[in-house]
Amino acid sequence: QVQLVQSGAEVKKPGASVKVSCKASGYTFTGYYMHWVRQAPGQGLEWMGWINPNSGGTNYAQKFQGRVTMTRDTSISTAYMELSRLRSDDTAVYYCARARNRDGYNYGYWGQGTLVTVSS
Amino acid sequence: QSVLTQPPSVSGAPGQRVTISCTGSSSNIGAGYDVHWYQQLPGTAPKLLIYGNSNRPSGVPDRFSGSKSGTSASLAITGLQAEDEADYYCQSYDSSLRGGVFGGGTKLTVL
Repeated sequence: QVQLVQSGAEVKKPGASVKVSCKASGYTFTGYYMHWVRQAPGQGLEWMGWINPNSGGTNYAQKFQGRVTMTRDTSISTAYMELSRLRSDDTAVYYCARARNRDGYNYGYWGQGTLVTVSS
Repeated sequence: QSVLTQPPSVSGAPGQRVTISCTGSSSNIGAGYDVHWYQQLPGTAPKLLIYGNSNRPSGVPDRFSGSKSGTSASLAITGLQAEDEADYYCQSYDSSLRGGVFGGGTKLTVL
């Protein structure tokens, strides 16, 4: 069965960077784009972007361009999302998500979420 | 402000039918892009409820149904149950933004 297992909670200071990992299992990692979605406390879902694990190609939401980097390590079926120059409003739960089809946006599979807290 | 507009809250008594609307524009829903719906229980990751406008993943009760028309979509829940109390989000693709977009979410309260 498809599983996405994310790294643990992080506490960072403003201006720092955070790197969240998402280890995939139960399917061919390179066959499906990996998306990242975040949710600030008490707020809605926000799409951040995707990475094509096969080619390494990425597509970032305009809001995060210049601050987010999505990478992958195909040898261990793991995707990464790094967000730099953190601000307090980056405090959120960050999810990796995989669609039902290769390049779709219908996320049938989600990681458990990683809480990133930005605080001085 | 979210690109897709949902009502902040809806409510209904057990057994009743409720609908949640999702209004977009000509660059997303109106352009023909699929709408997907998610249910999120407190403290958990979202769960795909409806994909491709009206399709249910296996395991999702047929009490949940989706539809789309023009620049809007709707999620209908019939035979409301206490366990349906959750937040619901619509999602689509936006060609102007060249990425995914979500609605702001709707909190369903079962009275």
